[in-house]
Amino acid sequence: GENVEQHPSTLSVQEGDSAVIKCTYSDSASNYFPWYKQELGKRPQLIIDIRSNVGEKKDQRIAVTLNKTAKHFSLHITETQPEDSAVYFCAASTAGYALNFGKGTSLLVTP
Amino acid sequence: ETGVTQSPTHLIKTRGQQVTLRCSSQSGHNTVSWYQQALGQGPQFIFQYYREEENGRGNFPPRFSGLQFPNYSSELNVNALELDDSALYLCASSMTGYEQYFGPGTRLTVT
Repeated sequence: GENVEQHPSTLSVQEGDSAVIKCTYSDSASNYFPWYKQELGKRPQLIIDIRSNVGEKKDQRIAVTLNKTAKHFSLHITETQPEDSAVYFCAASTAGYALNFGKGTSLLVTP
Repeated sequence: ETGVTQSPTHLIKTRGQQVTLRCSSQSGHNTVSWYQQALGQGPQFIFQYYREEENGRGNFPPRFSGLQFPNYSSELNVNALELDDSALYLCASSMTGYEQYFGPGTRLTVT
């Protein structure tokens, strides 16, 4: 089955800096890669996603890049703010089926 | 804010008992997936329902079962509860299976 690895497990940045979280996946059939943000005690919130026919997608301060050859994808957050502090999960799936999640990255943005 | 709702919010059960968790999908969504999230981990796929049929299952034993109703709401049933079943149970609904939107979850504690 699909195996998704996520790094780093924790990330601390100063407000205004950029944050990058990286994931790798094992199943070459995976074609959908969403990112979720989960604040303490809250539901995972879909923040951005990318499909395999696209190499990069951007939404305001958030961008995701995908390298299908290397089987890795990354989340980039620019101009970080304290409210970006949360746990971020990457996931991979085939044709919108089961999401296989990474173990999460705890992001702390300090003022 | 997503329209996916779950009940109950919290539940405490004794080992060996049975539990039923409920999920109402977002309006127009015909696919519901269930995930188990242990503390400090990413969600793990239990199974998915599409138009009242099970559409695939993760690595969970048969004592985890489910249903989807004609209005696309869903239930997760767990029999013979074990201590390791203590977790946050999340359902996610989608139109196509790709963008999955999570409910707030049910926190199950097994003592």
